[in-house]
Amino acid sequence: EPEVTQTPSHQVTQMGQEVILRCVPISNHLYFYWYRQILGQKVEFLVSFYNNEISEKSEIFDDQFSVERPDGSNFTLKIRSTKLEDSAMYFCASRGRDSEYFGPGTRLTVL
Amino acid sequence: GESVGLHLPTLSVQEGDNSIINCAYSNSASDYFIWYKQESGKGPQFIIDIRSNMDKRQGQRVTVLLNKTVKHLSLQIAATQPGDSAVYFCAENPGSGTYKYIFGTGTRLKVLA
Repeated sequence: EPEVTQTPSHQVTQMGQEVILRCVPISNHLYFYWYRQILGQKVEFLVSFYNNEISEKSEIFDDQFSVERPDGSNFTLKIRSTKLEDSAMYFCASRGRDSEYFGPGTRLTVL
Repeated sequence: GESVGLHLPTLSVQEGDNSIINCAYSNSASDYFIWYKQESGKGPQFIIDIRSNMDKRQGQRVTVLLNKTVKHLSLQIAATQPGDSAVYFCAENPGSGTYKYIFGTGTRLKVLA
């Protein structure tokens, strides 16, 4: 069964550092998403991406965040200067005809 | 990768019994709803969805009921199995073509052998 994969599974970084979280969506999907889940809180929408551009973004997705599809398979989330409050699980998802498929997540810890 | 908040409601059911998990949504204009299952260390997994023009939809061992009058959604799991143990949460789509889903906090389902 096709699945969304994410790397790394756990990323530890110092405050102020840049991080890039990587995702490989399901190959024939066209819509891609990033969500985050701070420990103990709800899943939150960050951004949706279609046709090589951002289609929607939330208030969380400020200038420190960016997304890119550098090639035909990867979908990345970059945080330019991490803050302590960026510590969370980050989930990538891709949408097929019927539903969204989530990746296993990357746990980001900002020290 | 799960909602492990201290205040996460928990539902404990005996194996073989039916489970009902509830969700109150916030936006009366929401037109699409999804139930997700999240097991420990994994991302959310799509279970079943329903559009606002329906009040019931059935899948394999699962049924979703939608009551738009009181903005309430429920997930019924028939003959609950140990593998059903997970956190379940609903998500609503506020409509107007947006993908900014609003997620619920979740309910932890524990299946007792």
